[in-house]
Amino acid sequence: QQPVQSPQAVILREGEDAVINCSSSKALYSVHWYRQKHGEAPVFLMILLKGGEQKGHDKISASFNEKKQQSSLYLTASQLSYSGTYFCGTVMDTGRRALTFGSGTRLQVQP
Amino acid sequence: NAGVTQTPKFRILKIGQSMTLQCTQDMNHNYMYWYRQDPGMGLKLIYYSVGAGITDKGEVPNGYNVSRSTTEDFPLRLELAAPSQTSVYFCASSYSPTSGGNEQFFGPGTRLTVL
Repeated sequence: QQPVQSPQAVILREGEDAVINCSSSKALYSVHWYRQKHGEAPVFLMILLKGGEQKGHDKISASFNEKKQQSSLYLTASQLSYSGTYFCGTVMDTGRRALTFGSGTRLQVQP
Repeated sequence: NAGVTQTPKFRILKIGQSMTLQCTQDMNHNYMYWYRQDPGMGLKLIYYSVGAGITDKGEVPNGYNVSRSTTEDFPLRLELAAPSQTSVYFCASSYSPTSGGNEQFFGPGTRLTVL
């Protein structure tokens, strides 16, 4: 079951904040966030396990709402280097514990 | 450590040809994965392996085969290439199951075009 990401795309000015959402209709065990720059491989950002924890490093953080089966990625005071496509990947709570990726959110940070 | 390496970087195939995409990791990871990414889309799991000699299908395994004879190598075989297999292929690895909260490390990808 592919998770649904929103928005599909967002354009920011440097210093602005953004929120990217990832939701599932099935119970989740974990949510994974990756960023991919054009023509490159995805790069790991963070993992959130069920239990509703919030994680973060630097100005990028994320939360996982187990009741809603939804995760949100928060980018604060955005920098040009934040540009890229952000993917969430989800692992179901039952069945095969494989990662299923959403279709991505394209983020463009402008000067 | 080189991490996850993939060869070739680019390849053009004719319909019906076959080829093997190579993937090697030097991190002693047990788990390895093959994904395909179509333009503007997310990654879809083709096959994965939990260790040498053990492989399993992912979401989109049709038209592909894999083998895992060593911990380091996880080649992906395309038989009878079709235009629908035009995509970017990523290999990834993780020390333990992704489900256990472990990140996946991705290779640089192979861009394949089937004409």
